[in-house]
Amino acid sequence: GAGVSQSPRYKVAKRGQDVALRCDPISGHVSLFWYQQALGQGPEFLTYFQNEAQLDKSGLPSDRFFAERPEGSVSTLKIQRTQQEDSAVYLCASSPTRGRNYGYTFGSGTRLTVV
Amino acid sequence: SQQGEEDPQALSIQEGENATMNCSYKTSINNLQWYRQNSGRGLVHLILIRSNEREKHSGRLRVTLDTSKKSSSLLITASRAADTASYFCATDSLYTGANSKLTFGKGITLSVRP
Repeated sequence: GAGVSQSPRYKVAKRGQDVALRCDPISGHVSLFWYQQALGQGPEFLTYFQNEAQLDKSGLPSDRFFAERPEGSVSTLKIQRTQQEDSAVYLCASSPTRGRNYGYTFGSGTRLTVV
Repeated sequence: SQQGEEDPQALSIQEGENATMNCSYKTSINNLQWYRQNSGRGLVHLILIRSNEREKHSGRLRVTLDTSKKSSSLLITASRAADTASYFCATDSLYTGANSKLTFGKGITLSVRP
């Protein structure tokens, strides 16, 4: 597609519920990133994929967070047993190369509210 | 943790004026990038400056980088109401290993009054 697509746009989950957030990057983009953005803050790194390989998951806040990109294109961020502190906007970004000196293309994000 | 700190936190100017935003960071970098975020939307990449560059231009944007002071500035000339948004600097640290990983600041809220 023309841009990075994320779905759903909004998600309300009851505390304890599992959620799955989808990211469809720009076709052919090698690198894919997930970021978490709390209200009034800058995005914080969660995890990084190069094709299907998850090369960095140092930002995942707990073992309740899990991400995958099995075929090197679409990625899913799963949060198990959601808690109120998980409420945030989850942003996906992609980049055409594995190189470092390229800007990211971000999706519009999924706003997760845990009630 | 957030490496970049933008200054000021909020800026309000009249249309046509220039807007200057500053960013300071802590560790040595490969590059520094500026992004814009409109309310409720994703981030849009504006400009990237590498650690061996001192100044870069793109349209009405001018970015400077001073690695000795670990700081950068973003200048938007002849601002327009459509420039109203939050602006973030993001650094790609030398110490994050082989892979790119941007660290963002908290952002600057720019309001341009018509």
